[in-house]
Amino acid sequence: DAKTTQPNSMESNEEEPVHLPCNHSTISGTDYIHWYRQLPSQGPEYVIHGLTSNVNNRMASLAIAEDRKSSTLILHRATLRDAAVYYCIGGGATNKLIFGTGTLLAVQP
Amino acid sequence: EAGVAQSPRYKIIEKRQSVAFWCNPISGHATLYWYQQILGQGPKLLIQFQNNGVVDDSQLPKDRFSAERLKGVDSTLKIQPAKLEDSAVYLCASSQTGVNGYTFGSGTRLTVV
Repeated sequence: DAKTTQPNSMESNEEEPVHLPCNHSTISGTDYIHWYRQLPSQGPEYVIHGLTSNVNNRMASLAIAEDRKSSTLILHRATLRDAAVYYCIGGGATNKLIFGTGTLLAVQP
Repeated sequence: EAGVAQSPRYKIIEKRQSVAFWCNPISGHATLYWYQQILGQGPKLLIQFQNNGVVDDSQLPKDRFSAERLKGVDSTLKIQPAKLEDSAVYLCASSQTGVNGYTFGSGTRLTVV
């Protein structure tokens, strides 16, 4: 599984877009990029995943660099309920997710 | 659909005592995982089951931790004897096919005193 690097923390204002970066320079060609988030006192929840193309769902968008060495999770309009730890994970070939320390996102009203 | 159920929600024990956690995954999910999350860290995988067989338990401290998955459905994780450093949240997750779409339970918060 690929090693990922994320900022320890980020801040955003409510109703503004948030771009959460992730570097995964050692990712292999078959490894997916997964994003999970963990709200306080809850287990992680799935956000989005992708391989090469940019992906959109009701929660977020995932922009993947052409060389696949980095990606960005985009929350289009942050709300207070989006305050959480966001984990970027590269992998999948072994059917298991290996979490790093993630990015703690604070959302200010 | 019902989520991943875990119990108990909280547990406080003294060191050297034993404790067990229970997990009921989403119906039909073949793969089940137990993670340990120490405060301020990301979840750490302890063991992975595929149906009722162990796929990976390389990070499980086998001198004190054990886990089983009965009939490929429910699972229990046991610690005996507990140490202070076992204080953590123990998370159970299940998935239908691979890593695309794990569903986690809310976890069991263990405090060892």
